[in-house]
Amino acid sequence: DAGVTQSPTHLIKTRGQHVTLRCSPISGHKSVSWYQQVLGQGPQFIFQYYEKEERGRGNFPDRFSARQFPNYSSELNVNALLLGDSALYLCASSSDSGGYEQYFGPGTRLTVT
Amino acid sequence: QKEVEQNSGPLSVPEGAIASLNCTYSDRGSQSFFWYRQYSGKSPELIMSIYSNGDKEDGRFTAQLNKASQYVSLLIRDSQPSDSATYLCAVSYNNFNKFYFGSGTKLNVKP
Repeated sequence: DAGVTQSPTHLIKTRGQHVTLRCSPISGHKSVSWYQQVLGQGPQFIFQYYEKEERGRGNFPDRFSARQFPNYSSELNVNALLLGDSALYLCASSSDSGGYEQYFGPGTRLTVT
Repeated sequence: QKEVEQNSGPLSVPEGAIASLNCTYSDRGSQSFFWYRQYSGKSPELIMSIYSNGDKEDGRFTAQLNKASQYVSLLIRDSQPSDSATYLCAVSYNNFNKFYFGSGTKLNVKP
């Protein structure tokens, strides 16, 4: 079975722009979570979605938003990009919401210049 | 105070030795615990999950959980150079659907 897929792999944006990152979970998984990982740190939780509903939110500004589609794929949107948004953005899927095992995709490397 | 604390390392062990990685967490409401391995430039890979006190073994890996002391550890037996990576501890709070990761411990296994 295919694992979690993310697109694009790399992205370069300018400050103030908007970006959309995409994720497809493992087949049969209904929950998707988004993380931001800055070099040298662990992933930081942004959102968790289950059955198209937001189930959890981390301490990120309102510039960050996400949604989940009927096929369980998900988008992460970031508005008004800042230099500090440069990071690896990871998507993880799990069979359910809450404390279930999460499996990560390869990530999207975002560089803001 | 950080939710999840790990020694950043690096932890260096010789090939064939036991590597011991530790993690402490601050919230007694934590219910699920995970260890991930992350190679440089790659995404985290799930190694083990543990939900109740005690030991859980899977091949060369053993996870240990002590909720009273609020720590979780990972033992790697017969360490191999291919085990050299950063090991991330993660804790989730089921009722709030949030996951917290430590900053990771870098492990170097020397041939």
